[in-house]
Amino acid sequence: GQNIDQPTEMTATEGAIVQINCTYQTSGFNGLFWYQQHAGEAPTFLSYNVLDGLEEKGRFSSFLSRSKGYSYLLLKELQMKDSASYLCAVMDSNYQLIWGAGTKLIIKP
Amino acid sequence: ETGVTQTPRHLVMGMTNKKSLKCEQHLGHNAMYWYKQSAKKPLELMFVYSLEERVENNSVPSRFSPECPNSSHLFLHLHTLQPEDSALYLCASSQGSGDYNEQFFGPGTRLTVL
Repeated sequence: GQNIDQPTEMTATEGAIVQINCTYQTSGFNGLFWYQQHAGEAPTFLSYNVLDGLEEKGRFSSFLSRSKGYSYLLLKELQMKDSASYLCAVMDSNYQLIWGAGTKLIIKP
Repeated sequence: ETGVTQTPRHLVMGMTNKKSLKCEQHLGHNAMYWYKQSAKKPLELMFVYSLEERVENNSVPSRFSPECPNSSHLFLHLHTLQPEDSALYLCASSQGSGDYNEQFFGPGTRLTVL
């Protein structure tokens, strides 16, 4: 079966750096997405990786290793507004998105 | 604002009621999706419409019935639901349904079935 694993919850301190990991086993691979979802709001797109390596976008970076079935989202200079759930999703061979359960990130002052 | 709106935002219904969820996208996309989001569970894809073709998840009970009258509107008709159907129902749209297709989500309808 297809599976996406990510930690359920993480806690970090304002101003610090946090890395949220995602491992996947899917039938085929056509890219990996990270979304951010604040409580009671819509998920919003953060990043897309289809080739191995690091994609940097401001304070957020996303890394992919296709051979290891592994990705991470790196958040730097954490702010209180970064408290949210972070969803990892992989597009399989049928171009369907397979979603992880999300990682709830709690930022403490 | 993501360009995708959903109504109502909250809905409480009994198991014998019939109700409909509405989604509208203002992005010119040609694919629309219904997802179910339950606490601490992955998003579950329920239905996809792409260029008026429906792709259905076989595990969706028949008490959920989608309707896509045009590329901008999507409905989810509900009847004789069960308490375990209580969840957040998210609508999304994308430019296409294949290849790279960043999905834009609406704010969701929080459904409670009594």
